[in-house]
Amino acid sequence: GENVEQHPSTLSVQEGDSAVIKCTYSDSASNYFPWYKQELGKRPQLIIDIRSNVGEKKDQRIAVTLNKTAKHFSLHITETQPEDSAVYFCAARGYGGSQGNLIFGKGTKLSVKP
Amino acid sequence: GAVVSQHPSRVICKSGTSVKIECRSLDFQATTMFWYRQFPKKSLMLMATSNEGSKATYEQGVEKDKFLINHASLTLSTLTVTSAHPEDSSFYICSADRDYYNEQFFGPGTRLTVL
Repeated sequence: GENVEQHPSTLSVQEGDSAVIKCTYSDSASNYFPWYKQELGKRPQLIIDIRSNVGEKKDQRIAVTLNKTAKHFSLHITETQPEDSAVYFCAARGYGGSQGNLIFGKGTKLSVKP
Repeated sequence: GAVVSQHPSRVICKSGTSVKIECRSLDFQATTMFWYRQFPKKSLMLMATSNEGSKATYEQGVEKDKFLINHASLTLSTLTVTSAHPEDSSFYICSADRDYYNEQFFGPGTRLTVL
């Protein structure tokens, strides 16, 4: 089955700097890769996702890149702000037909210092 | 769009009682919903996959007789924790797959405390 590894487990950056979180997956059949942001005591919020037919996707200050050959994908946050502080989870799953469940990474706690 | 509600948000009960948690997709149909358990500072642990009109699929190690799941309609799944014990205290979160979009949206979670 699928296995998702996420690094780093904690990340501290200065406001305005960039933050990068990396994930690797094991199942080459996976082709949907969402990222979730979870603030303390709240639900995970889908912030961006990427499907295997593209290598990069951007939405304002956040972007995700995917390397299917190497089986890794990354979240990039530019111009970080204190409100970006949260735990971020990557995930992977198959697409279409038998969709299957999301397999989550262990999470990265991002702290943005003012 | 793509809103998932979950009730109750918080429940405190005595050991031995049963607790029902509801998960609803408010503005979309969800043939498949998922139930997770989350421990403090940990990732989401999938408990079971709930399929509308059929039996739930439980992950290894999850007792199906203890965690009863019913997915009676395309917008509602329920999780009943039967004969709850203090070790069942946790944060339970549901999610719903938006049909045709392959996107998964989470409910706000239920904090269960068993005394």
